[in-house]
Amino acid sequence: QKEVEQDPGPLSVPEGAIVSLNCTYSNSAFQYFMWYRQYSRKGPELLMYTYSSGNKEDGRFTAQVDKSSKYISLFIRDSQPSDSATYLCAMRDRTGRRALTFGSGTRLQVQP
Amino acid sequence: DGGITQSPKYLFRKEGQNVTLSCEQNLNHDAMYWYRQDPGQGLRLIYYSQIVNDFQKGDIAEGYSVSREKKESFPLTVTSAQKNPTAFYLCASSSQGATGELFFGEGSRLTVL
Repeated sequence: QKEVEQDPGPLSVPEGAIVSLNCTYSNSAFQYFMWYRQYSRKGPELLMYTYSSGNKEDGRFTAQVDKSSKYISLFIRDSQPSDSATYLCAMRDRTGRRALTFGSGTRLQVQP
Repeated sequence: DGGITQSPKYLFRKEGQNVTLSCEQNLNHDAMYWYRQDPGQGLRLIYYSQIVNDFQKGDIAEGYSVSREKKESFPLTVTSAQKNPTAFYLCASSSQGATGELFFGEGSRLTVL
């Protein structure tokens, strides 16, 4: 079983829809949670970062972390065609190896 | 502009040849990383370095080698021992701050013919 599980999609939604992207994880030591967006043939770029449990909002994006369920989510409101990309969740623990552990990514297509 | 530069963007190699991918950063970051990305598998860690002249194996280090002689540079060599080297390779760096946010380069696509 992978440490981080993420539905690969593809997920296709109409423009303006609310999108929900999710990851589950098995390592209870993970404390830092991030969402990266990756356009085709490009490097990933950080979208959202959350420490421990709770919600964080930034414009149309909301990140949620539920450590008791080992479950994280990214919500995109009023989705736009420019949001079409692969979304990768990533996480790491507080000590030890500082490299991030990534999910496999969910490909999102927003149809105009 | 500060950032991470990977080269070449595309590379073709014959079986049995070693190839070196370049990664340079001017963000003054201490830590640097190499990830491999295959369809449906996300990013897998090959090697990482938290300080000059020191590096550690990641989850899939077999068939790869690295060096960290300068803070700005972390080249990756894909050796002939790597059984399935065709992939998209991503270099990243981070500061030693608490978040550990990774900044990525644009990637290098290696195809073995």
